[in-house]
Amino acid sequence: EAAVTQSPRNKVAVTGGKVTLSCNQTNNHNNMYWYRQDTGHGLRLIHYSYGAGSTEKGDIPDGYKASRPSQENFSLILELATPSQTSVYFCASGAISGNTLYFGEGSRLIVV
Amino acid sequence: GDSVTQTEGLVTLTEGLPVMLNCTYQTIYSNPFLFWYVQHLNESPRLLLKSFTDNKRTEHQGFHATLHKSSSSFHLQKSSAQLSDSALYYCALTRNNYAQGLTFGLGTRVSVFP
Repeated sequence: EAAVTQSPRNKVAVTGGKVTLSCNQTNNHNNMYWYRQDTGHGLRLIHYSYGAGSTEKGDIPDGYKASRPSQENFSLILELATPSQTSVYFCASGAISGNTLYFGEGSRLIVV
Repeated sequence: GDSVTQTEGLVTLTEGLPVMLNCTYQTIYSNPFLFWYVQHLNESPRLLLKSFTDNKRTEHQGFHATLHKSSSSFHLQKSSAQLSDSALYYCALTRNNYAQGLTFGLGTRVSVFP
């Protein structure tokens, strides 16, 4: 079973502060993704990566940056957090040839 | 762009009755993969089943779905609901480039009562 772990699992941040959500996967997948989950909006893609050093914009990238320093790690960065970014964030990984996504446990972020 | 439309909101049903969740999609890609993911309370989404083949029934854990490209549909069914089926269900679609991840519907919450 693919293993994707996220940290922190819960975070309270202040408006205007910087937040970094981290994701680590141990299944050697090339592709990694950040989604946010909100009631009424489902799962929406923020950023994704094809491999170390690459980051691509998803459907809702505004206000977010991503970093992929290695095959295993993919971070989501909120430089200036806003209350509208209060959400549950899921990291996922997937192989090149496959298309199934394996999700981490989620990170719940509250921006006050 | 790609889109997925699911049965909206909350579906409540009694244990033992059949379940059907609708999913239709739009894509310019002629060979998409369609997925159903399930998310139980306080857990992450996990794959329930997927299909690529037109008009072929796919089954897993008592659930089944058939991809119909002619109607752009991939409805999820189960003959007899169990209490443990209470969860959030997402239909999803591959993008043109598989590496670009999945496009998800808004999700359908299912609550099964005794």
